[in-house]
Amino acid sequence: EAGVAQSPRYKIIEKRQSVAFWCNPISGHATLYWYQQILGQGPKLLIQFQNNGVVDDSQLPKDRFSAERLKGVDSTLKIQPAKLEDSAVYLCASSPDQNLGYTFGSGTRLTVV
Amino acid sequence: AQSVTQLDSQVPVFEEAPVELRCNYSSSVSVYLFWYVQYPNQGLQLLLKYLSGSTLVESINGFEAEFNKSQTSFHLRKPSVHISDTAEYFCAVTRMDSSYKLIFGSGTRLLVRP
Repeated sequence: EAGVAQSPRYKIIEKRQSVAFWCNPISGHATLYWYQQILGQGPKLLIQFQNNGVVDDSQLPKDRFSAERLKGVDSTLKIQPAKLEDSAVYLCASSPDQNLGYTFGSGTRLTVV
Repeated sequence: AQSVTQLDSQVPVFEEAPVELRCNYSSSVSVYLFWYVQYPNQGLQLLLKYLSGSTLVESINGFEAEFNKSQTSFHLRKPSVHISDTAEYFCAVTRMDSSYKLIFGSGTRLLVRP
């Protein structure tokens, strides 16, 4: 089966600009996660979707981050405006119906200068 | 709340030597435990997991981990490492009664030298 697709692989932007990341989960996977991995740290959950509904967004900085999963398939994560501390790898993962079979994408590496 | 501590940020080891990567967790409820591996410029790959049953779990590439409830540990071991095992290893937990949100440790970089 195809894996979790993410784009772009790399992005460099200036602070205060906006950026968007895209994720296409494995076909049929109802649950989708966005994690933020800052250099030297473990990944941290930003938001979890079950189909097109949000299950957990308690650690999403809602003043600048937003995410959507229209039609319960693809998802986009947006940052507006970006700050230097947003430099990180943004990982998308999916699983069938909240079980434990996570599959991670390769991530988008964001550098804010 | 749950937390995961990986005591070693980097572990250098010679090829064919044994290795242990340490992981301790804290939780007031029962958890599932995982080890993920991340090769350079790649996403996370599940290495092994403990859900229930035997406390010793194994991966297909020779790693094993043992769940120790009394010591709240889930250390990862391999009796003989290869150069190709060089990677970042993350320990993670999730509550059994949750939406399976993973809580990760800060990672241990395994550096295998010839």
